[in-house]
Amino acid sequence: DVKVTQSSRYLVKRTGEKVFLECVQDMDHENMFWYRQDPGLGLRLIYFSYDVKMKEKGDIPEGYSVSREKKERFSLILESASTNQTSMYLCASREGRTRLGEQFFGPGTRLTVL
Amino acid sequence: AQSVTQPDIHITVSEGASLELRCNYSYGATPYLFWYVQSPGQGLQLLLKYFSGDTLVQGIKGFEAEFKRSQSSFNLRKPSVHWSDAAEYFCAVPTGGFKTIFGAGTRLFVKA
Repeated sequence: DVKVTQSSRYLVKRTGEKVFLECVQDMDHENMFWYRQDPGLGLRLIYFSYDVKMKEKGDIPEGYSVSREKKERFSLILESASTNQTSMYLCASREGRTRLGEQFFGPGTRLTVL
Repeated sequence: AQSVTQPDIHITVSEGASLELRCNYSYGATPYLFWYVQSPGQGLQLLLKYFSGDTLVQGIKGFEAEFKRSQSSFNLRKPSVHWSDAAEYFCAVPTGGFKTIFGAGTRLFVKA
């Protein structure tokens, strides 16, 4: 059974803290994504990685950075958390053969910044 | 610009009743189209996808969707809803780049 796991389901942090969200996939997929999900806005792409150490900015990269040192792991970093980054964060992966393929999602991390 | 619109923010149906969730897209070429479902506390799961060929596609959990080019629509249907179908449903269009455009979602409530 293919799987995308995220390090935490719920996370509470204080304003100004550095926050790491971890994502691991076991499908040997080349492509990995970080999305932010807010009510009424659907999913918005923060960052995309198409290979190890490679990354592309999505639609809302401000305030975020990413790291992909190994193929199976994609980390989202909030350098200095702010209250407007309170949200649900979803990680996804996709095989690299086609850019039109299905994405596989993790269960999400609900982050609250106080 | 490419876009995906789900006109209904939420829908309530009775258990056993039929369901139709609307999706309209704006895309230059013939699109690939997906429907995903997000159950409470879960990530998104693919329900079905349209690539080409038959305009009526079957998916998991008894869902189907029909691609209508003339209406730029890809509506999701189910003949008889079960309480376990209560979830949020997302229509999506992969752009051929690295982005997939997701609709804002429709939350389905099922009443007994």
